[in-house]
Amino acid sequence: NAGVTQTPKFRILKIGQSMTLQCTQDMNHNYMYWYRQDPGMGLKLIYYSVGAGITDKGEVPNGYNVSRSTTEDFPLRLELAAPSQTSVYFCASSHRDRSLYYGYTFGSGTRLTVV
Amino acid sequence: GQQLNQSPQSMFIQEGEDVSMNCTSSSIFNTWLWYKQDPGEGPVLLIALYKAGELTSNGRLTAQFGITRKDSFLNISASIPSDVGIYFCAGGSGNTGKLIFGQGTTLQVKP
Repeated sequence: NAGVTQTPKFRILKIGQSMTLQCTQDMNHNYMYWYRQDPGMGLKLIYYSVGAGITDKGEVPNGYNVSRSTTEDFPLRLELAAPSQTSVYFCASSHRDRSLYYGYTFGSGTRLTVV
Repeated sequence: GQQLNQSPQSMFIQEGEDVSMNCTSSSIFNTWLWYKQDPGEGPVLLIALYKAGELTSNGRLTAQFGITRKDSFLNISASIPSDVGIYFCAGGSGNTGKLIFGQGTTLQVKP
């Protein structure tokens, strides 16, 4: 079981460039999330999805877009990269059993630098 | 929006000492979770709490879900060097499974 797989692990972008951060999970989880982590700031939610075809904004969605065409994949798109988007990005997935929401399984992260 | 205040921000302790950290919020949560993040990796779930007042252990780790549902603490007993990392609390509520994370507690253990 691979869990949550993120690619690439590292990337340097120039200001104004675009890229897609890939995330795939093999646990058949319905819920998927994108977070960014900045030093000393914890994890901030960018976008999330409760199932294929359904996405919604989190706390810091500006400058990002997502899609969820399959249960397994939840790519994050940066359209016009800005230095403020330099961060470590984590994808996570989780599932629900009746009324219990189980903790996330995280990917190992993508470290993005915009110069 | 909802916020979690996690303290302390960092700790530097001697191997063998016990550690305590906590999270507080002005909002009520239905779920409290504690994660550990090693350098260069994603956070890994340590303990999940689903009921107010619940006390749960995982080896040397013990966590409690506060009675008011607005706080939680994590204790680590007899710390060892591999306990080094960043510890995050997270609170969940609602129907989307979204979690709100604390700012993290960085733990360093001196052998």
